[in-house]
Amino acid sequence: GQQLNQSPQSMFIQEGEDVSMNCTSSSIFNTWLWYKQDPGEGPVLLIALYKAGELTSNGRLTAQFGITRKDSFLNISASIPSDVGIYFCAGREAGAGSYQLTFGKGTKLSVIP
Amino acid sequence: DAGVTQSPTHLIKTRGQQVTLRCSPKSGHDTVSWYQQALGQGPQFIFQYYEEEERQRGNFPDRFSGHQFPNYSSELNVNALLLGDSALYLCASSPLDSYNEQFFGPGTRLTVL
Repeated sequence: GQQLNQSPQSMFIQEGEDVSMNCTSSSIFNTWLWYKQDPGEGPVLLIALYKAGELTSNGRLTAQFGITRKDSFLNISASIPSDVGIYFCAGREAGAGSYQLTFGKGTKLSVIP
Repeated sequence: DAGVTQSPTHLIKTRGQQVTLRCSPKSGHDTVSWYQQALGQGPQFIFQYYEEEERQRGNFPDRFSGHQFPNYSSELNVNALLLGDSALYLCASSPLDSYNEQFFGPGTRLTVL
């Protein structure tokens, strides 16, 4: 089945630095979502994107829906220690009857104070 | 307003046994999806329930079955447990007008010995 390629797999950054991660698919998606998961918790929805080219912000987080509809990007500005966690991209494929979300394998973010 | 709740939190079973996991969706949400998350991986879609019917199913064997009740709560049943079924099982709910945005519960950690 469809898989999302998410990179990088892990990142170690200094507090205050900006972070970028991305996700690509082999097919066209109608929706891109970005989630954050802390240990022992379920994923928490950060940003939802619905249109190609759309750029959406949520505080220090900014995500974009790629023009080709096969990729998405997440940027975190001025990272802080509470940004630590695993970030997942997820998407819904274009096509009638497609309701499931497909997830990437995650980007593990570590912030060094 | 309570979010998505799941029970139990943790569960230990032996191979061959059967298990039932429960989920109550967020208030106002009528669609429930179930995901399996193996250690170090992103969530994998099992199935989605809407109007008490299975609307879409992922690539999981028939040992995995579910049910949705009139109050929108849901159960996931797994028969003939295998060691490989050990994972975090996540329930996600979505509102009627936006099935793209799925909100996750904390999950049930299933260990099969």
